[in-house]
Amino acid sequence: GNSVTQMEGPVTLSEEAFLTINCTYTATGYPSLFWYVQYPGEGLQLLLKATKADDKGSNKGFEATYRKETTSFHLEKGSVQVSDSAVYFCALISNFGNEKLTFGTGTRLTIIP
Amino acid sequence: DSGVTQTPKHLITATGQRVTLRCSPRSGDLSVYWYQQSLDQGLQFLIQYYNGEERAKGNILERFSAQQFPDLHSELNLSSLELGDSALYFCASSPPGGNTIYFGEGSWLTVV
Repeated sequence: GNSVTQMEGPVTLSEEAFLTINCTYTATGYPSLFWYVQYPGEGLQLLLKATKADDKGSNKGFEATYRKETTSFHLEKGSVQVSDSAVYFCALISNFGNEKLTFGTGTRLTIIP
Repeated sequence: DSGVTQTPKHLITATGQRVTLRCSPRSGDLSVYWYQQSLDQGLQFLIQYYNGEERAKGNILERFSAQQFPDLHSELNLSSLELGDSALYFCASSPPGGNTIYFGEGSWLTVV
């Protein structure tokens, strides 16, 4: 079955630091890959996605590239802000309409000024 | 705003009671998913419907049931509630042939 392995947290960084949150996956076929973000006390928001190999998803300064050869989808941001403090979830789905979205365990990110 | 609407946003109820959580998917979306998020278990998939039919089932307890109605809204029924059912319940939807799943803001359930 599908699975997502996500970098263990929590992660604490200083403002303007470079961020990488690792995500690797196991899946059948050619899954679509996602990063969702959950800010404190809020719901899940789609941050970015990629639907085929070598696609790069980007949003709000965050980027992630779909690497089929390494089955990875690492999240990166060049300069984090205090407002980026949240829990980040990597997720995948192989077959829309017939299958669940499989999540990683989430990585809690705290940015200190 | 994702376009997925969940009600109620917050609910406090006693053990042994029954509650219904409601979800309205984005306009045109046929798939609805339910997830449970608790502190110790992370995001757990419960069940998925597509145009009224059950398509995938996860770790949904027998005390829980769900359905998707002809107008595509969905309800999650939780009965004989226990303290451990306290969690954030998410609904999500995706369009036919689509490649993105959008989540609502969740329903916070507290069982006391």
